Amino acid sequence: AQTVTQSQPEMSVQEAETVTLSCTYDTSESDYYLFWYKQPPSRQMILVIRQEAYKQQNATENRFSVNFQKAAKSFSLKISDSQLGDAAMYFCAYVGYGGSQGNLIFGKGTKLSVKP
Amino acid sequence: DTEVTQTPKHLVMGMTNKKSLKCEQHMGHRAMYWYKQKAKKPPELMFVYSYEKLSINESVPSRFSPECPNSSLLNLHLHALQPEDSALYLCASSQDIGERGGHEQYFGPGTRLTVT
Repeated sequence: AQTVTQSQPEMSVQEAETVTLSCTYDTSESDYYLFWYKQPPSRQMILVIRQEAYKQQNATENRFSVNFQKAAKSFSLKISDSQLGDAAMYFCAYVGYGGSQGNLIFGKGTKLSVKP
Repeated sequence: DTEVTQTPKHLVMGMTNKKSLKCEQHMGHRAMYWYKQKAKKPPELMFVYSYEKLSINESVPSRFSPECPNSSLLNLHLHALQPEDSALYLCASSQDIGERGGHEQYFGPGTRLTVT
């Protein structure tokens, strides 16, 4: 069975600084997708970034980038120039390309605080 | 437009009531999902619909009854709930599932359910 592990329950970053959130996963599948979702307090869960396992290039979306290490099964999220609006729960998630029937597997989440 | 809407935003119901949660998407997605989320926890998958057919039922009690009237709508009928069912209920949709691609899921804002 696939698992996703986020080892940092809480993180804190100073505004304008850079922070990296960790995620590791375990799977026997060769094709899959990885995602980072952001859920601000009492607000909607938003897709931050996605990575296809077959792509070697790390995904980037503005201030958000990932470090995808397929052999190590590691998928960390880097947030540059942190802003107060980045404060949220961040979930790492996995879905297999075939046969998983869309079952999105989440990590337990990392609560990010941003200090002004 | 990557929008999934859910109604109502808040719902308080007694243990003998019958109520329904509604979800709608107009992105042409063919897969829709119901999740249950407790505070400070990741979402837990309840049901998956693919092409308007129930694809996954994650051993959810029968007091939760899903319905997919058409490709844009998803309902969750509630009956005889327990206080422990109080949670945030999230709807999500994706272009497709499995090998057909489009695996990122877009979430609605959720319905916060309180069972008294």
